[in-house]
Amino acid sequence: GAVVSQHPSRVICKSGTSVKIECRSLDFQATTMFWYRQFPKQSLMLMATSNEGSKATYEQGVEKDKFLINHASLTLSTLTVTSAHPEDSSFYICSARDPRAGGRYEQFFGPGTRLTVL
Amino acid sequence: DAKTTQPPSMDCAEGRAANLPCNHSTISGNEYVYWYRQIHSQGPQYIIHGLKNNETNEMASLIITEDRKSSTLILPHATLRDTAVYYCIVRPLYNFNKFYFGSGTKLNVKP
Repeated sequence: GAVVSQHPSRVICKSGTSVKIECRSLDFQATTMFWYRQFPKQSLMLMATSNEGSKATYEQGVEKDKFLINHASLTLSTLTVTSAHPEDSSFYICSARDPRAGGRYEQFFGPGTRLTVL
Repeated sequence: DAKTTQPPSMDCAEGRAANLPCNHSTISGNEYVYWYRQIHSQGPQYIIHGLKNNETNEMASLIITEDRKSSTLILPHATLRDTAVYYCIVRPLYNFNKFYFGSGTKLNVKP
């Protein structure tokens, strides 16, 4: 099946610094990738849809200047948390659609990145 | 977008069938039902999906009521490794980018 990886798996940073998280589709080309955030004991919340070669589409309430998304190639999307603060500490998960899946339109999820801001 | 309602938790004995319900009473005719599960601190894993017919694959069966207002995910022989949070998601037919996760059901499989 389709495999999506994320790097790093865990990151700890100081308040005010920026952190970049990478999401890669390993065995397929993904024109569309998605970024989610999950706080402890809560469900996943869709943050934005990342389209290769164009600007990301953000969900209502998500600050696009704080969560910068770049989808420069068909296998890589990055999420940069700018000027991170402790309230940004969360589990960030990306996913991608495999066009080979046809009408299933399922999303394949990465393993997630645990961000802790001190 | 149609919302889903699931019980917060369920217990199941190892080797028995686990039946996880989902209510989606506001679902429209062109919306699919998807099921994913998330094992602790991992990314969600696709299980199965359907529109109106019952579906079965190597992992589970999906039973959708005739009025499509609810569905049940069945794990035929639950194992300890099936302990996870199970999410029922409704996806619009023509907006395949929108996967909105509800609160899910924590399934505890016990020996």
